[in-house]
Amino acid sequence: AQSVTQPDIHITVSEGASLELRCNYSYGATPYLFWYVQSPGQGLQLLLKYFSGDTLVQGIKGFEAEFKRSQSSFNLRKPSVHWSDAAEYFCAVGARTGANNLFFGTGTRLTVIP
Amino acid sequence: SQTIHQWPATLVQPVGSPLSLECTVEGTSNPNLYWYRQAAGRGLQLLFYSVGIGQISSEVPQNLSASRPQDRQFILSSKKLLLSDSGFYLCAWDRGLGGYTFGSGTRLTVV
Repeated sequence: AQSVTQPDIHITVSEGASLELRCNYSYGATPYLFWYVQSPGQGLQLLLKYFSGDTLVQGIKGFEAEFKRSQSSFNLRKPSVHWSDAAEYFCAVGARTGANNLFFGTGTRLTVIP
Repeated sequence: SQTIHQWPATLVQPVGSPLSLECTVEGTSNPNLYWYRQAAGRGLQLLFYSVGIGQISSEVPQNLSASRPQDRQFILSSKKLLLSDSGFYLCAWDRGLGGYTFGSGTRLTVV
C-alpha cells in the first residue's frame, strides 16, 4: 500500500539558515513525487515534482528536492530560508494513472525566526 | 488557462443547519475532482472524489455528501451540520502528470 511519512511535525529555523524537510514513501512501483506548500488559510501550491530523469529537481521559490530510490526518500531543501517561507509543507506520492492516485503526508510546519 | 474556484471563503453555520460548498473548474473538461478536509493542525483527509458527472466515491463515512451535477462542478453538502464538521475544506482537480491543483479553500466554523 502507498504511504508517505513526514517525520517532522514542526521545524523551526532562523532566517538565512538552510532547510531540509524529510519525506519517505512506500510505493510498489515507480512513483511520481510532489512537494506542496500551504500558507495559513490558503490552498496548497505545487512547489516541485519528480517524474523521471535527473533525481535533483528544481522548483519555485528557490526550493529543490532530491529523489533517492535506495532510501525511498524525496527530501526538500532550500539553502537560505526567508521569513516568507513559513508555511505548512506536504509531500505526496502518486501513481502514474488512474483517479484518486495522490497520497499526502501529514505535513511539516515550518517556523522561521528572525 | 485552467483555474479552480471555490466559495465561499469563510462560513459560520449553526449546528443542525444545511451546508453547500461549491467548486468549479475552468479551462478543462472531464477532470477528476476531489474534496479534502483539514481539521485544525491536522493533515489532509480525502472526503470524496469524482471521475465524471454523477460519479461520486466516498472515502470515509460521515455527515457529508457530494454531488457532481455538471462536468466542471463539484458540490459538498450536508443536511445537518455537526460541530465536528468544522474545518478547512479544499477542492482540487487532477491535472494528471501535473499533480493536483487546489482551490483556495473554505473555512467552515460550526457553532
